[in-house]
Amino acid sequence: GAVVSQHPSRVICKSGTSVKIECRSLDFQATTMFWYRQFPKQSLMLMATSNEGSKATYEQGVEKDKFLINHASLTLSTLTVTSAHPEDSSFYICSARYHGGGTYEQYFGPGTRLTVT
Amino acid sequence: GNSVTQMEGPVTLSEEAFLTINCTYTATGYPSLFWYVQYPGEGLQLLLKATKADDKGSNKGFEATYRKETTSFHLEKGSVQVSDSAVYFCALSDPSSYGKLTFGQGTILTVHP
Repeated sequence: GAVVSQHPSRVICKSGTSVKIECRSLDFQATTMFWYRQFPKQSLMLMATSNEGSKATYEQGVEKDKFLINHASLTLSTLTVTSAHPEDSSFYICSARYHGGGTYEQYFGPGTRLTVT
Repeated sequence: GNSVTQMEGPVTLSEEAFLTINCTYTATGYPSLFWYVQYPGEGLQLLLKATKADDKGSNKGFEATYRKETTSFHLEKGSVQVSDSAVYFCALSDPSSYGKLTFGQGTILTVHP
């Protein structure tokens, strides 16, 4: 149980184009999803918290107009990287929060490798 | 604010060696503590967790004890295998931050046959 998928797993796009990444909770409903960015050999940096039916909350320093987040349903959140540039190349990981057993846990997707050429 | 500090890596061990990865934390409330593992090119998998002081989390031969007095959650395994080679992240979740995770910097573990 508690499986989170991401699509695509890898994407290569040209500079100036936009890319959409999907995050789905497959067997549970997730009112909250998180988006992280991970640079090579570094830790995860939280970009934003996505709540179903409301606007995402972005961490300080993250451009909300560049990284558009939509959480349209209890099982789907999307991250759109608009007007992508090579410096946006990174590993993007989503997680979905599951409430069970009295505690909140986050379950992570497998990640999406974005390369902007 | 909350923070997590892990021992710096990389850590290189021979198969069947004993593993310790240190993790200490700073939190304002009563956090839950986690160890996540990331295999090359993949997302994170929850390895184990502890939700209150003196709890011991364990899974796949790994274990960690929530030590409130030393604000630590060190990861241990008695006999590592080559398949344990991965990046290990210590993390905390503070109830006051609505489930947001704060991660340590990660420790790369390489196990040689």
